[in-house]
Amino acid sequence: SQTIHQWPATLVQPVGSPLSLECTVEGTSNPNLYWYRQAAGRGLQLLFYSVGIGQISSEVPQNLSASRPQDRQFILSSKKLLLSDSGFYLCAWTPLTDRYGYTFGSGTRLTVV
Amino acid sequence: RKEVEQDPGPFNVPEGATVAFNCTYSNSASQSFFWYRQDCRKEPKLLMSVYSSGNEDGRFTAQLNRASQYISLLIRDSKLSDSATYLCAVKPPGGGNKLTFGTGTQLKVEL
Repeated sequence: SQTIHQWPATLVQPVGSPLSLECTVEGTSNPNLYWYRQAAGRGLQLLFYSVGIGQISSEVPQNLSASRPQDRQFILSSKKLLLSDSGFYLCAWTPLTDRYGYTFGSGTRLTVV
Repeated sequence: RKEVEQDPGPFNVPEGATVAFNCTYSNSASQSFFWYRQDCRKEPKLLMSVYSSGNEDGRFTAQLNRASQYISLLIRDSKLSDSATYLCAVKPPGGGNKLTFGTGTQLKVEL
């Protein structure tokens, strides 16, 4: 069966520090991968998605970047965090085929101080 | 108009009640529809897909009304454990199989 792993679960980082969040999927190949952010009391905002290795689409201009160095690995990064980067970051995957919903990782709760 | 809209609630209902949520979407060409459940400080989990013919899973029934551009979720015989936030998700036309989520409707089931 397919599983998705996301870490760390919780992170407290100072403003201006770098960020690297990792997400890996097991038990499938060629998944679509997504990074979402959920700010406190707000909805899920799509940040990046990837349909293949090295293929990254950015949905909103921001302080973050994403990379997909391997088929089942998706990384969210920042060189310098801002206070506004605080939130609940969720990685998700879905098969390439339409009509399937996402499966989310357990998320990383990031607090920038 | 937002792409996907939900009443944030909260909906406070007694145990055993029937409760329904609606979710409206703006793009009439949207292709796939889903309901997710999100517990406090947890990731959303897929509850059910919503098909044109409607679908039912135990106490949960989802329906799609393309003419009025909304989907609905009906929960019968509410349990305390149903307390959560329910997110609807819509796949608009275009590549990437991207989903747009509503902000969620909070349900509180009480004794």
